[in-house]
Amino acid sequence: GAGVSQTPSNKVTEKGKYVELRCDPISGHTALYWYRQSLGQGPEFLIYFQGTGAADDSGLPNDRFFAVRPEGSVSTLKIQRTERGDSAVYLCASSPWGGSSYNEQFFGPGTRLTVL
Amino acid sequence: RKEVEQDPGPFNVPEGATVAFNCTYSNSASQSFFWYRQDCRKEPKLLMSVYSSGNEDGRFTAQLNRASQYISLLIRDSKLSDSATYLCVVNMGDYKLSFGAGTTVTVRA
Repeated sequence: GAGVSQTPSNKVTEKGKYVELRCDPISGHTALYWYRQSLGQGPEFLIYFQGTGAADDSGLPNDRFFAVRPEGSVSTLKIQRTERGDSAVYLCASSPWGGSSYNEQFFGPGTRLTVL
Repeated sequence: RKEVEQDPGPFNVPEGATVAFNCTYSNSASQSFFWYRQDCRKEPKLLMSVYSSGNEDGRFTAQLNRASQYISLLIRDSKLSDSATYLCVVNMGDYKLSFGAGTTVTVRA
């Protein structure tokens, strides 16, 4: 079946611009996660959705970052006033459910964001 | 101090060799442990979970030492296709994964 998809695969923008990154999770998965991976580092947790609500946004670095999942499926990560330090690969993952016990997270191919 | 620390490598080994590497984690309350594999410019994929008693999956063996807070991965009879970055991952029993920076393994012919 189809895995997690993310668009665009690459995004180049200028400092100060606004960007939106999209994630389509595996059909039927209620839990959705965003991670950010900088060069030479492992992915870092940004935000977790259970259904439509953001259950944990503690990993968002500052208020320029925001994410939504209005219908409990597709999610959009929004970054305002981009800075060069935002350049990274943004990974989305989904799992059948979330909550208090771990279940396997399936990652999408990521969006490589470059801020010039 | 980072939650999960790994030797970045690279580990360069010939085909057929055995290669092993560790990672350490800082939070003694961590509950679940995993190894993920990430190929260059690709997404991470679950390689195997790590259980307290140690576990094998084909040529891969994972060990967990809770007392010393380290996790190991051993690859036997290395194949060219094993070349990748191996990410050590720790979980507190909820949804949040904490990743190490990865250990790079290159298997040469």
